[in-house]
Amino acid sequence: QKEVEQDPGPLSVPEGAIVSLNCTYSNSAFQYFMWYRQYSRKGPELLMYTYSSGNKEDGRFTAQVDKSSKYISLFIRDSQPSDSATYLCVLRKGGGSEKLVFGKGTKLTVNP
Amino acid sequence: GAGVSQSPSNKVTEKGKDVELRCDPISGHTALYWYRQSLGQGLEFLIYFQGNSAPDKSGLPSDRFSAERTGGSVSTLTIQRTQQEDSAVYLCASTSISGIPPPPYTQYFGPGTRLTVL
Repeated sequence: QKEVEQDPGPLSVPEGAIVSLNCTYSNSAFQYFMWYRQYSRKGPELLMYTYSSGNKEDGRFTAQVDKSSKYISLFIRDSQPSDSATYLCVLRKGGGSEKLVFGKGTKLTVNP
Repeated sequence: GAGVSQSPSNKVTEKGKDVELRCDPISGHTALYWYRQSLGQGLEFLIYFQGNSAPDKSGLPSDRFSAERTGGSVSTLTIQRTQQEDSAVYLCASTSISGIPPPPYTQYFGPGTRLTVL
């Protein structure tokens, strides 16, 4: 069983739509839950992170973690064509562990 | 400040040739990672350098792959006798453990080198 599973999509939505991106994971030791965004022909960049369970909101983006079901989500409200990118869920264990575990990424296209 | 830079941005080579890919990390970052990203695949960890410690080479797919980091800064990934299955984007990332900005161990990626082996 892979440590993290992410539907690769692709996902295509009209401008203004609400987008939901999700990952599941298997190891309860993960404590940091991040979303990286990767534009075409660019490296991934950190978009949001959550420590432990709960929600975190940043503008149009909301990151949600449910540790009981080992399920993490990223919601994008009022999606824009500039949100078109690949979104990777990225997990890290605590306790000084540096290693990141990456989902395969979901490719999102927002059509004007 | 300057981010992670990688060179070349694109490399086309013939099967059997050796290639060298370069990564300049963010100044002051002690840790450096190499990853490979193939079409439709996630990021595949290759190798990790942390300070003066012995590198973690557990992700290198074969002995044709090697990497070094000189002076705790610039790193070079070398692929000998390239094969067509080596075609991918090679990404470098560097990390600060300071946690500023949070979270700690955030990896900052370069733009990657797109390698095509004909």
